[in-house]
Amino acid sequence: EVQLLESGGGLVQPGGSLRLSCTVSGFTFSSYVMSWVRQAPGKGLEWVSGISGSGASTYYADSVKGRFTISRDNSKNMLFLQMNSLRVEDTAVYYCAKRQSAWPRLDYWGQGTLVIVSS
Amino acid sequence: QSALTQPPSASGSPGQSVTISCTGTSSDVGGYNYVSWYQHHPGKAPKLMIYEVSKRPSGVPDRFSGSKSGNTASLTVSGLQAEDEADYHCSSYAGSNNPVVFGGGTKLTVL
Repeated sequence: EVQLLESGGGLVQPGGSLRLSCTVSGFTFSSYVMSWVRQAPGKGLEWVSGISGSGASTYYADSVKGRFTISRDNSKNMLFLQMNSLRVEDTAVYYCAKRQSAWPRLDYWGQGTLVIVSS
Repeated sequence: QSALTQPPSASGSPGQSVTISCTGTSSDVGGYNYVSWYQHHPGKAPKLMIYEVSKRPSGVPDRFSGSKSGNTASLTVSGLQAEDEADYHCSSYAGSNNPVVFGGGTKLTVL
C-alpha cells in the first residue's frame, strides 16, 4: 500500500524558517518525481516544487523560488521542503505527492501538514 | 488568483449529472493534453480522478469522465452519489518553467 506522511508543520513568525518532511512507503521511491503542493485557507491548490528521482533536477513555482529548497534522501525514502524567509501568504496546508509518468499526474498524496506564518 | 478558472460551486441531485469546467489558455489547457482532475474531501488526501484529459486511474468509477475543447477542460460526474460531494480541482501542464497550474477548485454539492 502506498503511503505518504507529512510532518514538520507548525506556527512560525514572518521571516522564519521551517523544514517539512514526507516519509513514503509502498513504492520504489527513487524511481519517481516527487512534488509539494499547498492549499491556503479558502483557496485552491497551488503547485510549489518538484524534484527528480535522483534529486539532480529541481523545479519551483515563482512564488517560492529563492526561498524554498526541495530535496530528498532516497536511502530513507524521505522528501523535504526547506522553507526560509517565510511570509504570511505562505500559510497553507502542504501536501507531498508522487508523480506518475508526467505532469500534472499526481497519483498519490499525503494528508498534509499545516504551516501558519503569523506574528 | 488561480491560473485556471473553475466555478466556485456546482450542485445536482442524486442520479443526475453535473459538469465542472476548467478554463485556461493556449499556454496550458489548450496547448497540451495533460489535464488532471482531483477529488478532495476536506481533511483527507486529494485523489486523482482523471489524467491526460480523459483517462481514469484504476479504481475510479466510470461515472467520472473528462474532456477538453480548446482552452476549456471539463469533468462530468454522472449518476451523482452522496459520496461524490467534495471539492474538485483541475490542473494542467504549463511548460517546463512552471510545469503545473491548478484551478481554484469547485465545491460539488449533492442535494
